[in-house]
Amino acid sequence: EAQVTQNPRYLITVTGKKLTVTCSQNMNHEYMSWYRQDPGLGLRQIYYSMNVEVTDKGDVPEGYKVSRKEKRNFPLILESPSPNQTSLYFCASSLRGRGEHSTDTQYFGPGTRLTVL
Amino acid sequence: DQQVKQNSPSLSVQEGRISILNCDYTNSMFDYFLWYKKYPAEGPTFLISISSIKDKNEDGRFTVFLNKSAKHLSLHIVPSQPGDSAVYFCAASARATDKLIFGTGTRLQVFP
Repeated sequence: EAQVTQNPRYLITVTGKKLTVTCSQNMNHEYMSWYRQDPGLGLRQIYYSMNVEVTDKGDVPEGYKVSRKEKRNFPLILESPSPNQTSLYFCASSLRGRGEHSTDTQYFGPGTRLTVL
Repeated sequence: DQQVKQNSPSLSVQEGRISILNCDYTNSMFDYFLWYKKYPAEGPTFLISISSIKDKNEDGRFTVFLNKSAKHLSLHIVPSQPGDSAVYFCAASARATDKLIFGTGTRLQVFP
């Protein structure tokens, strides 16, 4: 089954304790992205990756890191989480990035609800 | 600065009637628009899209209309069904970038 998986689905942590949220897709997609969803703000892009070893900042990258060492995986790293990073996080992938191939749609994972105390 | 706006946070429609969800954008470089549907505890799923070279795209009960001069698009659902109850996100992208910009979402409730 074609899908985007995220782990964990729920996480409660404390300020300053490094954490990683994993994301994996089995569709051989080139483009992967992380979003956060907050009430009244919709979905905002954190980071995205056009392909292996190619990553770029989205609209709200502060406090986050990503890596793309393999095509299928795109982990989101919070080196020192803070309470304002409490949010619902979604990973997404598409066959190609927007660019010249703007007909591609993104497939989303089920979400990770993160609470930072 | 919200480049994609959904000014109605919620909408309630009777089953069988038409649901109209609206979206406005400010960036004239946007050339591709999408609607996503989201159920609780799930990720958004793609619903329908439209390129800026068109003004209408239809897929079954769902039709998206684009008015470029007004920088406005709308999603029509006819007839509305209880299973359509969800949060709907409008999104836009520009050919020159690799980003997808989402609106804040509209919660649609379809009641019997």
